[in-house]
Amino acid sequence: GQNIDQPTEMTATEGAIVQINCTYQTSGFNGLFWYQQHAGEAPTFLSYNVLDGLEEKGRFSSFLSRSKGYSYLLLKELQMKDSASYLCAVRSTMNNNAGNMLTFGGGTRLMVKP
Amino acid sequence: NAGVTQTPKFRILKIGQSMTLQCAQDMNHNYMYWYRQDPGMGLKLIYYSVGAGITDKGEVPNGYNVSRSTTEDFPLRLELAAPSQTSVYFCASSSDRERRGELFFGEGSRLTVL
Repeated sequence: GQNIDQPTEMTATEGAIVQINCTYQTSGFNGLFWYQQHAGEAPTFLSYNVLDGLEEKGRFSSFLSRSKGYSYLLLKELQMKDSASYLCAVRSTMNNNAGNMLTFGGGTRLMVKP
Repeated sequence: NAGVTQTPKFRILKIGQSMTLQCAQDMNHNYMYWYRQDPGMGLKLIYYSVGAGITDKGEVPNGYNVSRSTTEDFPLRLELAAPSQTSVYFCASSSDRERRGELFFGEGSRLTVL
């Protein structure tokens, strides 16, 4: 099976930097995704890592270490609108019959304070 | 493009009633999924489909059924609703032609069983 762990809640200050960690255990790793989900809304795609290293996209960056089963999402210059849940999700070749099926962690609720 | 469209957005059911959650996508995606999300939790896969006429069970299929007669539509049927099925249901789709293949989600259907 797959196991994905991430902190339940985090709090940070507007303008600061926050790092949300995700650890996973899976066979046949085939990609790690981060999604953002505002309260009462659908998850929206943020980032994708399949090779080790850092992927940067504006204020958001995502890092992956496959050997450590570890990823983080880095949010810079935090804004109030970044208050949301951030979901870590893993795709595995063990689920190749299931298309691009993702297994999700429980999500990290980030609260940005003024 | 509308993307992934779900109806209804809200529904209250009595124990033992049945209903169908509708999902349609206009992106010509072969892969479609139904997830449920309980309060403060991540997403759990109920059923998925890799193409018209092909469906299979996910992690939590009990109490649900699906069909996929066309590429566009993937309805989820709840038979004999139970309070444990109170949740937010998300339909998603994904392309089989792109390496990244992220999931695109509908806005969700909020179901309460009383």
